[in-house]
Amino acid sequence: EPEVTQTPSHQVTQMGQEVILRCVPISNHLYFYWYRQILGQKVEFLVSFYNNEISEKSEIFDDQFSVERPDGSNFTLKIRSTKLEDSAMYFCASSGQLLSNQPQHFGDGTRLSIL
Amino acid sequence: DAKTTQPNSMESNEEEPVHLPCNHSTISGTDYIHWYRQLPSQGPEYVIHGLTSNVNNRMASLAIAEDRKSSTLILHRATLRDAAVYYCILRDGGSGTASKLTFGTGTRLQVTL
Repeated sequence: EPEVTQTPSHQVTQMGQEVILRCVPISNHLYFYWYRQILGQKVEFLVSFYNNEISEKSEIFDDQFSVERPDGSNFTLKIRSTKLEDSAMYFCASSGQLLSNQPQHFGDGTRLSIL
Repeated sequence: DAKTTQPNSMESNEEEPVHLPCNHSTISGTDYIHWYRQLPSQGPEYVIHGLTSNVNNRMASLAIAEDRKSSTLILHRATLRDAAVYYCILRDGGSGTASKLTFGTGTRLQVTL
């Protein structure tokens, strides 16, 4: 069964540094998402992306965050200047359609640790 | 997004059926009921969804109350691998463009031998 893959599985970065988290969505999917989960807390929506544009973003997704689909397979999340509070699991997801009756398929996440 | 209420935790014995309840009294007519689960150290995983009728798939069954104010996820024979946090999520199908999933705290299911 096709799956969403994320790399790296764990990223350790100094505060203030830029970090790029990478995702390879399911190949025929068109809609892409990033979520995060701070340790012990809920999974939170960050951003959705379709047709090379952001469709929706949460208040968490401020100017420090950006997303890109640089080629036909990768989907990236960049944090420009990381803060301690950015430490979390970051999950990428994709779906074949945007409709509410279609499931989103998640990767196993990247654990981001900011020192 | 409409709110759901789930018990914080439940326990089950292996190979027994498990009924995970969810209340969503403010559900609108166009809201789909989705269930996801999150195994330890993994990303959320889609389980099942429905609108009005009961649904079955290889993972579980979804029973939806006639008034749609509640639903129950049914695992027919729990295994140790089913130990996870189960999330009941409503997604608005009215606009046709609802994209995000809004996760609550879910129900942590423990399965014992």
